Order: sequence, then C-alpha cells, then structure tokens
Amino acid sequence: AQKVTQAQTEISVVEKEDVTLDCVYETRDTTYYLFWYKQPPSGELVFLIRRNSFDEQNEISGRYSWNFQKSTSSFNFTITASQVVDSAVYFCALSEARYSSASKIIFGSGTRLSIRP
Amino acid sequence: SQTIHQWPATLVQPVGSPLSLECTVEGTSNPNLYWYRQAAGRGLQLLFYSVGIGQISSEVPQNLSASRPQDRQFILSSKKLLLSDSGFYLCAWKHTDLYNEQFFGPGTRLTVL
Repeated sequence: AQKVTQAQTEISVVEKEDVTLDCVYETRDTTYYLFWYKQPPSGELVFLIRRNSFDEQNEISGRYSWNFQKSTSSFNFTITASQVVDSAVYFCALSEARYSSASKIIFGSGTRLSIRP
Repeated sequence: SQTIHQWPATLVQPVGSPLSLECTVEGTSNPNLYWYRQAAGRGLQLLFYSVGIGQISSEVPQNLSASRPQDRQFILSSKKLLLSDSGFYLCAWKHTDLYNEQFFGPGTRLTVL
C-alpha cells in the first residue's frame, strides 16, 4: 500500500530563515512519481514539482530546492531565505508511474508553514 | 494553456437541501477528472474520479454523487445535504497519458447549516 507521511504538522519561522519540510513515503512500486503542492490561504492547490523515482538528482528552482533520497524514502523540500508569501500549507504526494487510467495521487496530511515578519 | 473553473466559489446551504457543484476544464481534451473534499484543517480526501464521459468511480461511500455529462465537465451532486458535507471541494484534472500530476481548480467552500 502507498502512504505519505508529513510528520511536521506546523512550522513557524522568522522571515529570511531557511526551512525544510520533511516527507517520507512508502510504496511497493519500483517506479513512481513524487510531488509537492502548495496551498496558500486562498485554497487552490498549486503544483510545484514532480520527481520520477529513477531520477535522484536534487532540484533547485530559485529559493526552492528538493532533496530526493530513495535510500531513506524521503523527498524533502527546503525554502531558502523564507518570505511571508511562502506561508501556506504544503502537501507532499505520491503516485504510481506505470500506466493506469485512474492515476490516483496519495497525499500526505500537509505541513502548515507560517513565516513571521 | 489549460484552465479549470469551479463554481460557485462559496455556498451556504441548509441541511436536507440539494447540491450541485460544477467543474469545467478548458484547453485540453479527454482529461481525467477528480473531486476532492478537504475538511477544515485537514488533508485531501478523494471522492470521485472519471476517465471519460459517463465513467465515474467512487472512492468513499456517502450521500454524494458525481456525473460527467461532457468531456470537460464534472458535476458533484447531493439530493440531501448533511452537516458533515461541509468542507472545501476541489476539482482537479490531469492529462490522460502524460505523467501524473493533477492541476486543481480554485475550489468551492460549502457550509451546511
């Protein structure tokens, strides 16, 4: 069975601090996708990144970076020099990579990130 | 580019009243469509998904139903709302054959009184 665990329910940091959101997943699939989504106060989920299980290269996009480690089944998300606009709930998610007409995504419970000015 | 619309944005309904939430996608064809519910301060619960017109799969037994009358239209309905139906309802779509990320609409906030 697939499962995504985000142990950090809430995190609060002061602006300009770096913050890492943890994500641990479980799956029996040998190929799969991992995702991060951002849910700002407006409510809409915004897709941030997809990672294939066969690509363990870390990715950087501006102040955002992602560390994928298959050995520990983790896909952590770091925000460098955090800003108030980063305040949101962040969801880590997992789905199978083999073709499936359903292609369901399993979401973690989310981490609420608050950036204090 | 693709866009996804949901309406209404907010809704306040009395217990026992019917419900109809609509979701439409533009700029793509034959998408997979999904309905999620998010209770206050909670995670996402997949309610229904559809891989084509008239094809609906239910994930959680409840008093809600879904329909897909057109390729890019997905409707969530109820004949009689319960208090427990309150929540934030999100519609999402994905390309049928490409990767697996889903793209979400702006959501409908439903309060049942």
